[in-house]
Amino acid sequence: EAQVTQNPRYLITVTGKKLTVTCSQNMNHEYMSWYRQDPGLGLRQIYYSMNVEVTDKGDVPEGYKVSRKEKRNFPLILESPSPNQTSLYFCASTQGLGQPQHFGDGTRLSIL
Amino acid sequence: TQLLEQSPQFLSIQEGENLTVYCNSSSVFSSLQWYRQEPGEGPVLLVTVVTGGEVKKLKRLTFQFGDARKDSSLHITAAQPGDTGLYLCAGGGGKLIFGQGTTLQVKP
Repeated sequence: EAQVTQNPRYLITVTGKKLTVTCSQNMNHEYMSWYRQDPGLGLRQIYYSMNVEVTDKGDVPEGYKVSRKEKRNFPLILESPSPNQTSLYFCASTQGLGQPQHFGDGTRLSIL
Repeated sequence: TQLLEQSPQFLSIQEGENLTVYCNSSSVFSSLQWYRQEPGEGPVLLVTVVTGGEVKKLKRLTFQFGDARKDSSLHITAAQPGDTGLYLCAGGGGKLIFGQGTTLQVKP
């Protein structure tokens, strides 16, 4: 089954404690993205990657890092999380620019 | 900066009513996508519109892309409780831009 898998689904942590949200896709897609979803603001792109070792900033990259060492994986790293990063995060993959995105089921992060 | 404005943001209607959701921009998009998102899940693609003036139908849902490719609409005929969810429009390339979303509640 074609899918995008995120882990964990839920996480409550404290300010400053580094965390990583993993994302894996099994569709051999070249393009992957991370979004955050906040009430009234919709989905905003954090980072995206067009291929292995190729990443670029989206609209809200501050406080986040990503890496793309393998085609299937695109982890999101919060080196020093802060409460304003409390949000619902989605990973997505797609065949190409402008193509439909396949989303994971989301990771709800709460940073106290 | 490309922006997509959706309206209305919230819609609560009775089963059987019709409704239209709008997605507008001052920018031209090569294509627009519509997604539906249910609680606890990621958005799922409903349709992609590519050609100006294009109309696509998905059962009771009708999607239209404006002639100038700056706007799109989603019309639902005879809404059902199963249509309840968050509807999102999106456009752009690597930097995909999403509208704020329209939360639809259809009451039985």
